[in-house]
Amino acid sequence: EVQLVESGGGLEKPGGSLRLSCAASGFSFSNEWMSWVRQAPGRGLEWVGRIKRKTDGGTTEYAAPVKGRFTISRDDSKNTLYLQMNSLKTDDTAVYYCTTVARWGQGTLVTVSS
Amino acid sequence: DVVMTQSPLSLPVTLGQPASISCRSSQSLVYSDGNTYLSWFQQRPGQSPRRLIYRVSNRDSGVPDRFSGSGSGTDFTLKISRVEAEDVGVYYCMQGAHWPPYTFGQGTKLEIK
Repeated sequence: EVQLVESGGGLEKPGGSLRLSCAASGFSFSNEWMSWVRQAPGRGLEWVGRIKRKTDGGTTEYAAPVKGRFTISRDDSKNTLYLQMNSLKTDDTAVYYCTTVARWGQGTLVTVSS
Repeated sequence: DVVMTQSPLSLPVTLGQPASISCRSSQSLVYSDGNTYLSWFQQRPGQSPRRLIYRVSNRDSGVPDRFSGSGSGTDFTLKISRVEAEDVGVYYCMQGAHWPPYTFGQGTKLEIK
């Protein structure tokens, strides 16, 4: 069974940092392009960024609101995806989903508030 | 960025009746490989999104055949042939032809009348 399990969310102050993790199982993680998508409370879905598989260069791309502040990485030996979030803003408050597009995790809530 | 516009944003439907959601993109979603990258997602209350349809009309595994997708270029439709209670939720279209970023529609909230 395909599983994506996010962790690392919580309450952080504006300007602070958080690192989210996504543990994958049930599929060949190293062969997948992986993404983070977020959903602010009561709002729609917003793409955060994507990392390609290493055989496609392993490169990353980001949405404009997070570019320069967020970094996506992967550890294929641990079947784990990461999202390093720096210089957090109140607008970053959302549930963050790890996704292959076809499969989604349950999400982890990040709250940025003073 | 490619803008995805859904209509209606609210869709009250009687059980057993059909439902239809429209999605229009600000640019053609035909990619250089000839494929059209338009997907549909369902998000039930309190749950994560679930992909229903990819590349316009291909149903994901386990998706009931009452769901169907159609369209081309910039105009797409998700149809539910007979709405069931479990179909309540928000439906999103998403384009994957122009990156960055992938973009979603605003969402259509389906409820039972």
